[in-house]
Amino acid sequence: KNQVEQSPQSLIILEGKNCTLQCNYTVSPFSNLRWYKQDTGRGPVSLTIMTFSENTKSNGRYTATLDADTKQSSLHITASQLSDSASYICVVTTLHNAGNNRKLIWGLGTSLAVNP
Amino acid sequence: KAGVTQTPRYLIKTRGQQVTLSCSPISGHRSVSWYQQTPGQGLQFLFEYFSETQRNKGNFPGRFSGRQFSNSRSEMNVSTLELGDSALYLCASSLGSVSSGRETQYFGPGTRLLVL
Repeated sequence: KNQVEQSPQSLIILEGKNCTLQCNYTVSPFSNLRWYKQDTGRGPVSLTIMTFSENTKSNGRYTATLDADTKQSSLHITASQLSDSASYICVVTTLHNAGNNRKLIWGLGTSLAVNP
Repeated sequence: KAGVTQTPRYLIKTRGQQVTLSCSPISGHRSVSWYQQTPGQGLQFLFEYFSETQRNKGNFPGRFSGRQFSNSRSEMNVSTLELGDSALYLCASSLGSVSSGRETQYFGPGTRLLVL
């Protein structure tokens, strides 16, 4: 069964500290993996997208890694800021049917709180 | 360029009623997808419309329906509301169909529906 599991479920860190969020997937076949940030009361915003051949991708203080062999991805946040408090959602794209359609498999997200 | 807009932002209904939610995509975007988000289930895909045609459909009952107009604006309708339909309903637009797997979706702020 295609699944995306994220850990931890929630995390509290102090401002200025680094943190790493995990995403494990059992999705096959794999097309790409995205990380989204969702602020409270808002829709998700795309942070990064990685295909099978990409190991690392950065977006400012956010760095995503992908190990397609172990089917694991991580999102590392450097020098956290109060504005990083949000839910971070991992999404894996797979083939939907015998045709050329893709399907998005969404994780439940990690809720991050950055405290002063 | 204006982002994705959704109306209304908040809605309270009672069981058995029906509701219509509206979504205006980013100008030039032809695809609109709808999602239901609840704390325990995360984002659940409802359906995608591309150039006025439904391209993909999630595993929701027939009470959930939608349509897209020639200007790409989309509406979602839920009939015979149940308590379990209380959720945040998100709309996302993209240039091309999400089925390609390569499109970045841009989300609106959502409509929070409470069914009493």
